Amino acid sequence: QSALTQPASVSGSPGQSITISCTGTSRDVGNYNLVSWYQQYPGRAPKLIIHEVNERPSGVSDRFSGSKSGNTASLTISGLQTEDEADYYCCSYAGTSTWVFGGGTNLTVL
Amino acid sequence: QLQLHESGPGLVKPSETLSLTCNVSGGSINNNAYYWGWIRQAPGKGLETIGSVYHSGRAYYNPSLNSRVTISVDTSKNQFSLKMTSVTAADTAVYYCARLVIRGVKIDYWGQGALVTVSS
Repeated sequence: QSALTQPASVSGSPGQSITISCTGTSRDVGNYNLVSWYQQYPGRAPKLIIHEVNERPSGVSDRFSGSKSGNTASLTISGLQTEDEADYYCCSYAGTSTWVFGGGTNLTVL
Repeated sequence: QLQLHESGPGLVKPSETLSLTCNVSGGSINNNAYYWGWIRQAPGKGLETIGSVYHSGRAYYNPSLNSRVTISVDTSKNQFSLKMTSVTAADTAVYYCARLVIRGVKIDYWGQGALVTVSS
């Protein structure tokens, strides 16, 4: 069970859009529409922002959206705001009641 | 409002056993809709799943930790626990307990996290 692959860092300017990729395999991301994304601020617990590839929990801004193609899932944040500066983690179901996280992406809003 | 709270020693000696308990309040562990899981995060690193347990006691583990980890549940106390044997410095991390919604495989509630340092 290997970690999903995410870029270590991405950056963007306020108002721009950025996309974070999350690459897995045919045993996890590619096999299930069960990818979730979490936002984590330093010293805080992660927060669910996307589940089941593209579903947003109540209260999460519609500036966050998700998608998937093959073994790669993506998180897009539109209209970047300074408050979006955080770490982002993808997570996928990997079968047999297990799940696996990505290595995390640090987003800097310049 | 559901709350999860980790408790246990913050310092464990190498080769000994790490033990943490997650107390759940504001909701029952005895619910078919959820798994109850442990996730850890080493300093400056990413999230790593440790495993999860169903209210029946059936547990599932990350294969890379399987041989050292036991997750159990006590529905009468509304809590679940983690034991990790033969710890090393590499097990130093913030340990989170969390609720995993089975339908959708999403973690909707997290504890605040407990830092466990492995050191002599």
